[in-house]
Amino acid sequence: KAGVTQTPRYLIKTRGQQVTLSCSPISGHRSVSWYQQTPGQGLQFLFEYFSETQRNKGNFPGRFSGRQFSNSRSEMNVSTLELGDSALYLCASSPLTGANTEAFFGQGTRLTVV
Amino acid sequence: AQTVTQSQPEMSVQEAETVTLSCTYDTSESNYYLFWYKQPPSRQMILVIRQEAYKQQNATENRFSVNFQKAAKSFSLKISDSQLGDTAMYFCAFMKHARGNEKLTFGTGTRLTIIP
Repeated sequence: KAGVTQTPRYLIKTRGQQVTLSCSPISGHRSVSWYQQTPGQGLQFLFEYFSETQRNKGNFPGRFSGRQFSNSRSEMNVSTLELGDSALYLCASSPLTGANTEAFFGQGTRLTVV
Repeated sequence: AQTVTQSQPEMSVQEAETVTLSCTYDTSESNYYLFWYKQPPSRQMILVIRQEAYKQQNATENRFSVNFQKAAKSFSLKISDSQLGDTAMYFCAFMKHARGNEKLTFGTGTRLTIIP
């Protein structure tokens, strides 16, 4: 069974640009969550999607947005990039069946804003 | 809001020894999950062990076990017979047991180095 796949693995963008990151969950998983990891702030929750609906959102500005498609694949978008958006962005998928809440993580997308 | 605290930024231990990583948390919830995740240099977060708060028995997975003290809100991870492959960042994480609220709150992590 393929794991969670995030593309691209690395990205360099200029301040003011926008970026789209992609996450393909494990087959059958309907929940996809996004996290931002930085040395200063650690791991912070961005948002969670389930069946194409955003159910939870973390404390991030509106420049951060996301969506989920009918096949459960998810994208997150960051507009008007700032230097502080440089981070490792992690995607996690969960089956959420019964008591199974385990989150399976992808290898992340390393975004550098210059 | 929940908070998770890991007070040991870095630890190192000789190969084959036992090491314990500390984690405390704060919540008003009565039903929740606690996790330990490992993040090696490859960056992929890997679940090490999970504990349901309603279970009194401490979870065990091979060389990994936890000491869950619900009243003290403490959740430490013990790694026995440590191996070089255990070198990684370890994150303690909390999740409320509530459908529609499956977000993880992470601690700041402990960098563990296993010395050959």
